[in-house]
Amino acid sequence: GENVEQHPSTLSVQEGDSAVIKCTYSDSASNYFPWYKQELGKGPQLIIDIRSNVGEKKDQRIAVTLNKTAKHFSLHITETQPEDSAVYFCAASKGGSQGNLIFGKGTKLSVKP
Amino acid sequence: KAGVTQTPRYLIKTRGQQVTLSCSPISGHRSVSWYQQTPGQGLQFLFEYFSETQRNKGNFPGRFSGRQFSNSRSEMNVSTLELGDSALYLCASSPMYRGSQETQYFGPGTRLLVL
Repeated sequence: GENVEQHPSTLSVQEGDSAVIKCTYSDSASNYFPWYKQELGKGPQLIIDIRSNVGEKKDQRIAVTLNKTAKHFSLHITETQPEDSAVYFCAASKGGSQGNLIFGKGTKLSVKP
Repeated sequence: KAGVTQTPRYLIKTRGQQVTLSCSPISGHRSVSWYQQTPGQGLQFLFEYFSETQRNKGNFPGRFSGRQFSNSRSEMNVSTLELGDSALYLCASSPMYRGSQETQYFGPGTRLLVL
């Protein structure tokens, strides 16, 4: 079945710096790749997603890139702020009746003021 | 629109008991999925319901079951609770309209502690 690997498990950056989190997936049939942010005591919040027919997507300070050939995708956060501190999860899905999300293990991002 | 709501938010049970968790999806969303989150295993898919039918199921024992009602609200049940069932149970809803079939929005979760 699908397996999603996520790195790094922890990431500490200074406020204003950029943060990059990388994920690889194993099943070439996966075609949907969302990223979630989870703050303490809350459920995961969708922050950006990308589908396999697109190579890059950007939303203000957040961008995601997808390399289908290499089967990896990355989250880029620019101009980080303390409120970006949280656990970030990547996920992959094949869509349709197999639309369940397979998650990476998460990255704990700490942004130091 | 109100987000996904889950009740109760916290629950304490003892081994051998059973528990029922409830989820109300975002208005208009027809698909509901359930996930279990633990520190060791991370986020794992339990099952998905669409139009009152279980459409997909993860690799969990038969003690875990669910159902969906005609108004899209969903419940999941865990029977004969074990210590290892202690986890955050998350519900996610999806609009299931063209172009957003896979997009899932999560609720705050139900924290279950089994003693």
